[in-house]
Amino acid sequence: DAGVTQSPTHLIKTRGQQVTLRCSPKSGHDTVSWYQQALGQGPQFIFQYYEEEERQRGNFPDRFSGHQFPNYSSELNVNALLLGDSALYLCASSSPWAGYEQYFGPGTRLTVT
Amino acid sequence: GESVGLHLPTLSVQEGDNSIINCAYSNSASDYFIWYKQESGKGPQFIIDIRSNMDKRQGQRVTVLLNKTVKHLSLQIAATQPGDSAVYFCAETPWGGYNKLIFGAGTRLAVHP
Repeated sequence: DAGVTQSPTHLIKTRGQQVTLRCSPKSGHDTVSWYQQALGQGPQFIFQYYEEEERQRGNFPDRFSGHQFPNYSSELNVNALLLGDSALYLCASSSPWAGYEQYFGPGTRLTVT
Repeated sequence: GESVGLHLPTLSVQEGDNSIINCAYSNSASDYFIWYKQESGKGPQFIIDIRSNMDKRQGQRVTVLLNKTVKHLSLQIAATQPGDSAVYFCAETPWGGYNKLIFGAGTRLAVHP
């Protein structure tokens, strides 16, 4: 049983560019949450997708958007990249039928130059 | 605003000793608390959780204590091993927060032989 997978592992972009990160949830999970983790800090909640809709959003600008597909996989899009967007982006999956526990993927390391 | 913080940024212990990692939270309406372990280059890994209606919960070599009176959470690791070296985060989920996690900054645990 594969856990949460994310792609790509690492990514280098230039300021102003756009990026798309991908996540496949753990088998049986239908909810995907995205977090941004700056170096030396705890993860910060970006948003959560359930039934292909954004259910809750953290304090992030509209440059951050997402999507969830019918197979529950998800994408995180960031437009007009800033240097401050450099971080580890984590995807976590869960299911309301499987308790509160969230399973995290290994993350995508985004570097903006 | 909501926040979950940690008292000590770095904790150094000898192998075999017991470790105690502390965390303070500010949202008295939080329903669920979790401890995560994050090793270098990996996503957070679930260790143990506790509901707000409990004071203590034990796992294998780990114990979580919740003191709602002073809004304090602690993680106790018995017989600390080199493999326990990592950054530990406490996180909380506000009641009705659809599993949105609010993380603290983390404590680095360094285990010395």
